[in-house]
Amino acid sequence: DAGVIQSPRHEVTEMGQEVTLRCKPISGHDYLFWYRQTMMRGLELLIYFNNNVPIDDSGMPEDRFSAKMPNASFSTLKIQPSEPRDSAVYFCASSLGGTQYFGPGTRLTVL
Amino acid sequence: GNSVTQMEGPVTLSEEAFLTINCTYTATGYPSLFWYVQYPGEGLQLLLKATKADDKGSNKGFEATYRKETTSFHLEKGSVQVSDSAVYFCALSDDGGAQKLVFGQGTRLTINP
Repeated sequence: DAGVIQSPRHEVTEMGQEVTLRCKPISGHDYLFWYRQTMMRGLELLIYFNNNVPIDDSGMPEDRFSAKMPNASFSTLKIQPSEPRDSAVYFCASSLGGTQYFGPGTRLTVL
Repeated sequence: GNSVTQMEGPVTLSEEAFLTINCTYTATGYPSLFWYVQYPGEGLQLLLKATKADDKGSNKGFEATYRKETTSFHLEKGSVQVSDSAVYFCALSDDGGAQKLVFGQGTRLTINP
């Protein structure tokens, strides 16, 4: 299996622009998680899905952030409008049976 | 709520030294415990796990034993290599079946030749 795939790997954008991060989970996994990692706050869980349904989005920082999972093999995390404080590495992870497998991450820089 | 506390970093050792990274947890129920490793510029990789008390997880020379009596899951390796330089995260699962992980803050390990 190719593992969890994320795109793009790097994104540089200007404040106010819309940013869309993409994730393809491991085939057959029934949970999908979005995390954000920064030096100041460490690793934060933003939202997770079970069988494509959002279960807990209490970690989403504000309404500028939204996530969707239209099918079992694809999820997006959107930030609109983006702000410099959103600069971070965003990870997607999927799991089956309780062990999470992480993608390589998207490094987002908002200027 | 559930929480994980890790040894403060950074930790710097010489090659072939013995490694211990402490991890203690607070949880209700019977969570599974994990160690993840993050190499520079990469995502987190599962290093080892243990699902019940007294289980020992092991991989790549690393070991950790699930100690319910001391609520600990310390990571050990007998002889570290330069290639072990990374950030190590201890985590526990949400026992409620939600499959969420609660992570410690991470410990940065640097091994000098």
